[in-house]
Order: sequence, then C-alpha cells, then structure tokens
Amino acid sequence: GAVVSQHPSWVICKSGTSVKIECRSLDFQATTMFWYRQFPKQSLMLMATSNEGSKATYEQGVEKDKFLINHASLTLSTLTVTSAHPEDSSFYICSARTGPLNNSPLHFGNGTRLTVT
Amino acid sequence: AQTVTQSQPEMSVQEAETVTLSCTYDTSESDYYLFWYKQPPSRQMILVIRQEAYKQQNATENRFSVNFQKAAKSFSLKISDSQLGDAAMYFCAYRKETSGSRLTFGEGTQLTVNP
Repeated sequence: GAVVSQHPSWVICKSGTSVKIECRSLDFQATTMFWYRQFPKQSLMLMATSNEGSKATYEQGVEKDKFLINHASLTLSTLTVTSAHPEDSSFYICSARTGPLNNSPLHFGNGTRLTVT
Repeated sequence: AQTVTQSQPEMSVQEAETVTLSCTYDTSESDYYLFWYKQPPSRQMILVIRQEAYKQQNATENRFSVNFQKAAKSFSLKISDSQLGDAAMYFCAYRKETSGSRLTFGEGTQLTVNP
C-alpha cells in the first residue's frame, strides 16, 4: 500500500534555531500534501496545503514566514519551522494524496515530535 | 465553515463487547465524505472507515460499522467484539467534495478497552 515517510520522528532544538521536517511519498507521486499540527490530547489542525511546483496555501492564523513549506518534487514536501520558540513545540503530521482526484485516498506520515528548549 | 463535534472525550468498553462513538457535523454542502481515523499511542493515523454522503447504505469494515444519518448530520462508529488493539484515540473527520482533500477533524474520543 501507499507509504508516507516522515523524518525525523522526533527532534529537540534550541530556541531561535530552525528545524526542517521532511515528508516523502515512497511509492507514489503526491502532487498535494498536507501539514497538520497536533497539541497533546487535542485534534489535528490543518496548517497548510502543499502543492508541487507552486506556493503552499496556508490556513488562517498560520504564519507563512514562520512555517516555510517547500514542495519541490512529486515525492517530497518539507516544513521548516524558522526561529523556533517553545510554543512551537508540538506534534507535526503530514499527509499525502495518493492520486490526482480530490477524493483520492490520503495517507499519513508517522509524525514528528518537535521540542523547543 | 464546517465543524465536526465529538461529544465524548473518553469512552471505555470491555473486551468482546460493543461500543459506539458519536460524531456530529455541520455543513451546508450536499456532497462530502466522512471518515473515522484511529490514532494509537504510536501516533500513526489509520483510516478505519469511510462514508460517501451520497450513499444511503452505511459503510462496514469487518468489526467496524457506521450509522450515517444525513438529515441529522450524525455519523457514529460502532465497534463490535472490541479487542485490546482497538484502544486508541478515534477522530471523526469531514471532507467536502470540492475541498481538494482537506480534512476537518473532530476533537477526538479516547477509547479504552478493558480486559
């Protein structure tokens, strides 16, 4: 089946540094990927939609200059948390659409736990 | 905007028994999809079951079935013969037909299965 690989699975960084999280579709091409954020014991909140070859679409309230998204190829989207602060500590999950249609199945990565000290 | 509500933060069930998780949603759309996802302690999101709004028949996947009431905007998940491995956080999710696969999740229900 379709596999989405997310790396790293966890990362600890110091306040003020930047962290890059990768989301790869291993056995399919994903023109669209989605980035979610999940706080402890809370739901997943969509941050942005990543489209291959074009700018990401951010949800209201998400700072695009802080959460940089790049989708340079059909199998890779990256989320860079710039100048991270402790309040950015969270669980970040990506998902990828396995086909070109809006109703194509979605598959999720295993998530990345970010801790900013 | 679409909203998804899960009114049960926590539920518990005895092994081999049946449990129903509730979900309601609000939308003005007529075409959409509804999902139940399971998130075990590993945090991996796993699709449990999917329902197309245009289908009147309730979806079923082995021990998992839904009760889809379109007029009431209700989408409950029934787990039969509960197993220890069913213990997880369960999220109800909504996707508009034309949303490009964007999902709106409910708050989640933590399911405990007691041996």
